[in-house]
Amino acid sequence: AQKVTQAQTEISVVEKEDVTLDCVYETRDTTYYLFWYKQPPSGELVFLIRRNSFDEQNEISGRYSWNFQKSTSSFNFTITASQVVDSAVYFCALSEAASGSRLTFGEGTQLTVNP
Amino acid sequence: DTAVSQTPKYLVTQMGNDKSIKCEQNLGHDTMYWYKQDSKKFLKIMFSYNNKELIINETVPNRFSPKSPDKAHLNLHINSLELGDSAVYFCASSQERTRTGNTIYFGEGSWLTVV
Repeated sequence: AQKVTQAQTEISVVEKEDVTLDCVYETRDTTYYLFWYKQPPSGELVFLIRRNSFDEQNEISGRYSWNFQKSTSSFNFTITASQVVDSAVYFCALSEAASGSRLTFGEGTQLTVNP
Repeated sequence: DTAVSQTPKYLVTQMGNDKSIKCEQNLGHDTMYWYKQDSKKFLKIMFSYNNKELIINETVPNRFSPKSPDKAHLNLHINSLELGDSAVYFCASSQERTRTGNTIYFGEGSWLTVV
């Protein structure tokens, strides 16, 4: 069965600090997809990134970067030089080939960036 | 332009009532979903429709009935509302370009409070 664990329930940092959000997943499928979503205080869910299991290249998008390591079943998310607007709940999610596009979410990490 | 829109955004109602949440997407996607976010922010899939056909039906009470009049709309009707139904309900959509792992885009959520 698929499972996603985000062990950090809450993280608090000061603006301009770098912060890494951890995500560990479990799956028996060899083909799967990993996602990160952001839920700001306004409540909507914003798609950030999608990664398939065959692509372990790290990705950078502005201040955001993602580190995918199959050896440790992790897909961690780093925000560089954090800003107050980064304050949100961040969700990691997994989709297995066997279950179509159904997403299994982690419990989420509440990130608070203080000025 | 809102890609996935759902109404109402906020709904407060009494136990025992019947209510509906409407969802529309203008992305041209062929698959739509309902996800539920509970008070602990945990997100879980409820239903999925592909081209108006039900393809995922999780263990949800049969008081919940989705209806898809066309592939751009997926409404959620809830009968005999209970206190435990209080949650945020997210509509979402994706384009099934491949059989699995397609990116899912979410609406802004509908906050349902049952009193």
